[in-house]
Amino acid sequence: EAGVTQSPTHLIKTRGQQATLRCSPISGHTSVYWYQQALGLGLQFLLWYDEGEERNRGNFPPRFSGRQFPNYSSELNVNALELEDSALYLCASSLQGTDTQYFGPGTRLTVL
Amino acid sequence: KNEVEQSPQNLTAQEGEFITINCSYSVGISALHWLQQHPGGGIVSLFMLSSGKKKHGRLIATINIQEKHSSLHITASHPRDSAVYICAVARGSARQLTFGSGTQLTVLP
Repeated sequence: EAGVTQSPTHLIKTRGQQATLRCSPISGHTSVYWYQQALGLGLQFLLWYDEGEERNRGNFPPRFSGRQFPNYSSELNVNALELEDSALYLCASSLQGTDTQYFGPGTRLTVL
Repeated sequence: KNEVEQSPQNLTAQEGEFITINCSYSVGISALHWLQQHPGGGIVSLFMLSSGKKKHGRLIATINIQEKHSSLHITASHPRDSAVYICAVARGSARQLTFGSGTQLTVLP
């Protein structure tokens, strides 16, 4: 069974541009979580989607947004990129109503 | 004060040593996770605990709900165990994880 997949692996953008990151959950999982791991800051929760709806978001500005598609894959969009958005963005998925999360390999975003 | 505190931040051990990493949390939780992150970023979920103790191979995780404390033990450590170990908690219906700062473990041959 395929695990959580993320694309692209690496993404290089310049300040002010927009970035789109994609995540495909494990088959059957309806919940998708996005986390940011910036250098020196540890892992922080960004967004949680379940059944197509945003269930919760972390303490990030509105230029971080996303959506979940009917097939439960998800997209994270970061608008007006800033240098400090450079980070590893991790996606995780879980079965609805369960706590065990399975992580993808991450997308490393570099903002120049 | 962070909701999830880990200690130590860095740990160097000789191959074969018994290793303990500690995690304390200050909030009510529904589950606690131990995660392993290798260089390059990939994260693997090692354990999810809501009570008691779990064992998988050379890894043992325990949790004391009353004391709000969990430990991850590695027996007969090996250089391939070198990684960052992260404690994370889930809080009830808010299923997103809150993370500790991680413990960088280096096991020397």
